[in-house]
Amino acid sequence: KAGVTQTPRYLIKTRGQQVTLSCSPISGHRSVSWYQQTPGQGLQFLFEYFSETQRNKGNFPGRFSGRQFSNSRSEMNVSTLELGDSALYLCASSLVRGLTDTQYFGPGTRLTVL
Amino acid sequence: DAKTTQPNSMESNEEEPVHLPCNHSTISGTDYIHWYRQLPSQGPEYVIHGLTSNVNNRMASLAIAEDRKSSTLILHRATLRDAAVYYCILPNSGYALNFGKGTSLLVTP
Repeated sequence: KAGVTQTPRYLIKTRGQQVTLSCSPISGHRSVSWYQQTPGQGLQFLFEYFSETQRNKGNFPGRFSGRQFSNSRSEMNVSTLELGDSALYLCASSLVRGLTDTQYFGPGTRLTVL
Repeated sequence: DAKTTQPNSMESNEEEPVHLPCNHSTISGTDYIHWYRQLPSQGPEYVIHGLTSNVNNRMASLAIAEDRKSSTLILHRATLRDAAVYYCILPNSGYALNFGKGTSLLVTP
């Protein structure tokens, strides 16, 4: 079974631009979560989608948004990029939503904002 | 949400057992204890989880204190490939993983 895939793997943008990152979950998984990882703040939860609805949201500004499609694929968008948005963005999928569910992570998209 | 506390770093010799501690004194009765690890340049990967009883899988064992205020991840024979940051996590009610700082494990040959 293929793992979680994320595209693109690397991205360079300039301040003020917007960016869209894509995540394809493991086949059959219905929940997709996004995380941001930076050296200073570590791994931080952005948001989670299940059945095309955002179910949970972390403490990030409204410039960060996402959506999930009917095939469970997900995209996240960051508008008006700032230097501090440079980070590794990780997507994780799980079968359903539950306290015992395992989250499977993709390799991440490395975003650099210049 | 319950908080976890882990040592910043630990060191082990190759092929020796490793015991990675985690304190979670404010854990509630329904909180599961999850462990993930992140190898260099990779996304995190699931290691093990448990509720009350000790758990074993092919990767590791999880020993949970009787009062559930602490737990220990046990790698029975550390290899160089086990060098990673290990995270002890209590998923919150929204199922998000709050990773914290984790423990950076160094394995020396």
